[in-house]
Amino acid sequence: AQSVTQLGSHVSVSEGALVLLRCNYSSSVPPYLFWYVQYPNQGLQLLLKYTTGATLVKGINGFEAEFKKSETSFHLTKPSAHMSDAAEYFCAVSLMNTGFQKLVFGTGTRLLVSP
Amino acid sequence: GAVVSQHPSRVICKSGTSVKIECRSLDFQATTMFWYRQFPKQSLMLMATSNEGSKATYEQGVEKDKFLINHASLTLSTLTVTSAHPEDSSFYICSAVHIIYNEQFFGPGTRLTVL
Repeated sequence: AQSVTQLGSHVSVSEGALVLLRCNYSSSVPPYLFWYVQYPNQGLQLLLKYTTGATLVKGINGFEAEFKKSETSFHLTKPSAHMSDAAEYFCAVSLMNTGFQKLVFGTGTRLLVSP
Repeated sequence: GAVVSQHPSRVICKSGTSVKIECRSLDFQATTMFWYRQFPKQSLMLMATSNEGSKATYEQGVEKDKFLINHASLTLSTLTVTSAHPEDSSFYICSAVHIIYNEQFFGPGTRLTVL
């Protein structure tokens, strides 16, 4: 069965600093991997996804993530944090043979951005 | 494009009553929709998979008689919480799988409060 571990329930950065949100996954088959962002009382918005091909994936709002099979990781980064990046971030995994369906989410990381 | 709506966005009801939540894909068709439940400051837990024209598939531990799901068309799925109790209070989020892109798009969520 697949699972996702997000290290750190809260991450605090200063505006302009590097953002690094960690995600490790467990899957018995090649996974599809996703990062979603959730603003308060809203649904989820897809930031980026890895399916196959290039392991460095670029998403919206300047975020990117790198799939590292040897480390079973899919960490999310952004070179320079903006106040508007403050939100909850979820990493998710889906079985490749089921396409994008049936996502398993991590517990989420709340990103706090200070001026 | 690929917008998913939920109605209502917030609902408050008395214990013992039933509440219906609608999930609509506004500009695409979806043979599959998912219903998630999110407790405060926690991750999304998949409740059930809703397939158009067939019975929903419930995750382990989810009471199918309490959480009735109907997927009557390619653009509409409904979740009815029957005989609601305070412990059913939660944030319910749906997602719809785009019939062409095979990607999940999330609704904005419904906040249910049972008094």
